[in-house]
Amino acid sequence: EAQVTQNPRYLITVTGKKLTVTCSQNMNHEYMSWYRQDPGLGLRQIYYSMNVEVTDKGDVPEGYKVSRKEKRNFPLILESPSPNQTSLYFCATQGAAYNEQFFGPGTRLTVL
Amino acid sequence: KQEVTQIPAALSVPEGENLVLNCSFTDSAIYNLQWFRQDPGKGLTSLLLIQSSQREQTSGRLNASLDKSSGRSTLYIAASQPGDSATYLCAVLSGNTGKLIFGQGTTLQVKP
Repeated sequence: EAQVTQNPRYLITVTGKKLTVTCSQNMNHEYMSWYRQDPGLGLRQIYYSMNVEVTDKGDVPEGYKVSRKEKRNFPLILESPSPNQTSLYFCATQGAAYNEQFFGPGTRLTVL
Repeated sequence: KQEVTQIPAALSVPEGENLVLNCSFTDSAIYNLQWFRQDPGKGLTSLLLIQSSQREQTSGRLNASLDKSSGRSTLYIAASQPGDSATYLCAVLSGNTGKLIFGQGTTLQVKP
């Protein structure tokens, strides 16, 4: 079954404690991205990757890092989380330019 | 800067009604437009993708239209059911930035 998986699905942490949210896809897609969703602000792109070892900033990259060492994985790293990064995070993948995007189930992060 | 607006923000209808959700965008330079469904606390499910050269797409009881020149898209849901209750999001893939820009969504409630 074609899918995008994220782990963990729920996470409560404290300010400054480094964390990683993993994203994995089994669709052999080149394009992957991370979004955050906040009430009243909608979905905003954090980072995206056109292919292995190629990443670029989205609209709200501050406080986040990503890496793309293999095609199937695209982890999101918060080196020093802060309360304003409390949000619902989605990983997405896309087969090629102009194609349909597929989203993971989301990770709800709370930073105390 | 591309902006996507969805009206209404919320909609409540009795079961069986046909309904229309609206999406407008400010820049006609788009590659495609995608409609998603999001259930509470869940990820996004892709419903329909319309390429910029297309006028409409259909899937079951759903029909989406695109008028790129006027910056509008509509999602038509026929014979609505309680299971259709969810938030519906439209997103355009910007032809200038290559980014997916989301509207705020329309939250639909279909009452039995």
